[in-house]
Amino acid sequence: AQTVTQSQPEMSVQEAETVTLSCTYDTSENNYYLFWYKQPPSRQMILVIRQEAYKQQNATENRFSVNFQKAAKSFSLKISDSQLGDTAMYFCAFMKHRTGTDKLIFGTGTRLQVFP
Amino acid sequence: DTAVSQTPKYLVTQMGNDKSIKCEQNLGHDTMYWYKQDSKKFLKIMFSYNNKELIINETVPNRFSPKSPDKAHLNLHINSLELGDSAVYFCASSLRGQGFTEAFFGQGTRLTVV
Repeated sequence: AQTVTQSQPEMSVQEAETVTLSCTYDTSENNYYLFWYKQPPSRQMILVIRQEAYKQQNATENRFSVNFQKAAKSFSLKISDSQLGDTAMYFCAFMKHRTGTDKLIFGTGTRLQVFP
Repeated sequence: DTAVSQTPKYLVTQMGNDKSIKCEQNLGHDTMYWYKQDSKKFLKIMFSYNNKELIINETVPNRFSPKSPDKAHLNLHINSLELGDSAVYFCASSLRGQGFTEAFFGQGTRLTVV
């Protein structure tokens, strides 16, 4: 069974600084997807970034980028130029590649606080 | 326009009651899901439907019954509510066919059983 581990329950960063959130996962699959979702106090789950395992290039979305290390089964999220609006819970998630069981398996989340 | 919408956003009810949560998506997706987020913020899949067919049922008590009248709707009915059912329930949708997309989530329904 797949598992996702986020070892940092809480992180804090000053506005405009850079912060990295860690995620490791365990799977025997070769093809899969990895995601980072953000959940602000509004409760809405918002996709931040996604990575296909067959792609070697790390995904980037504006200030958000990932460091995907397939052999190490590591998928960290880097937030550059942190903004107050980045304050939220961040969830790392894993999904098999189109097997018919397309469920997201989530980590336990990291609460990020951005300070002015 | 809201992509995935759930109603109600908040639901407070007494133990033993039966309640329903409705979900609709206007994204043209073919797969819909129910996830449960517990008090520690842990998210876990409950059900998944693809083209109105149940494809995932994750060891959920049979007091929970999903119903998908069409591809755009997935409702969750809960019988004989218990205190432990208090949680936030998220509906989500995605496209599994050509042009696969990630899951888009509704705003969640906070269920409180008293």
